[in-house]
Amino acid sequence: DAKTTQPNSMESNEEEPVHLPCNHSTISGTDYIHWYRQLPSQGPEYVIHGLTSNVNNRMASLAIAEDRKSSTLILHRATLRDAAVYYCILRKNDMRFGAGTRLTVKP
Amino acid sequence: GAVVSQHPSRVICKSGTSVKIECRSLDFQATTMFWYRQFPKKSLMLMATSNEGSKATYEQGVEKDKFLINHASLTLSTLTVTSAHPEDSSFYICSARPPGGLVGYTFGSGTRLTVV
Repeated sequence: DAKTTQPNSMESNEEEPVHLPCNHSTISGTDYIHWYRQLPSQGPEYVIHGLTSNVNNRMASLAIAEDRKSSTLILHRATLRDAAVYYCILRKNDMRFGAGTRLTVKP
Repeated sequence: GAVVSQHPSRVICKSGTSVKIECRSLDFQATTMFWYRQFPKKSLMLMATSNEGSKATYEQGVEKDKFLINHASLTLSTLTVTSAHPEDSSFYICSARPPGGLVGYTFGSGTRLTVV
């Protein structure tokens, strides 16, 4: 299975942009790149996904490298409610989670 | 938007008893649902893929007879933890993907199982 590598943790200041990186050097052509986040004691929440082109939605932006071996989730203005564990996942027919990045947002 | 409802949110049971967890897709049909378990401070581990009208596909190391999965309709999958033991205490989460491909998977809010 194609795997992803993310930093264990990151910190951000409130109202500043956050760039969460993800490496997926063994990605195959049909793998979609998905991002989810999980707050304590809750199920994961969908954030964004893409295949080749950069994607924007109301929650975040996803920047995908031209060779697709890495991607970056961009939160344009972090809020305290964005503090969570963020998971970058390569989806084939199911969804398998790695360790994710724990984002701390400081006021 | 697409919603997956999971019930109960918390359950405490005695060792040796069985517990059923329900996962419902409220506004879409799901031919496939997924079951995960999560230990404290750890990531989600895929346990099995539930297929409507057919047998579930279990991940390696997950005991089929202990974690019974039934997907009898397009909106309901159930996970039954049989003869529960304290080591089965965990956070169980289900998910499904709405049709269309424009959004990702939707997850239930999880079930905290404590076996005493």
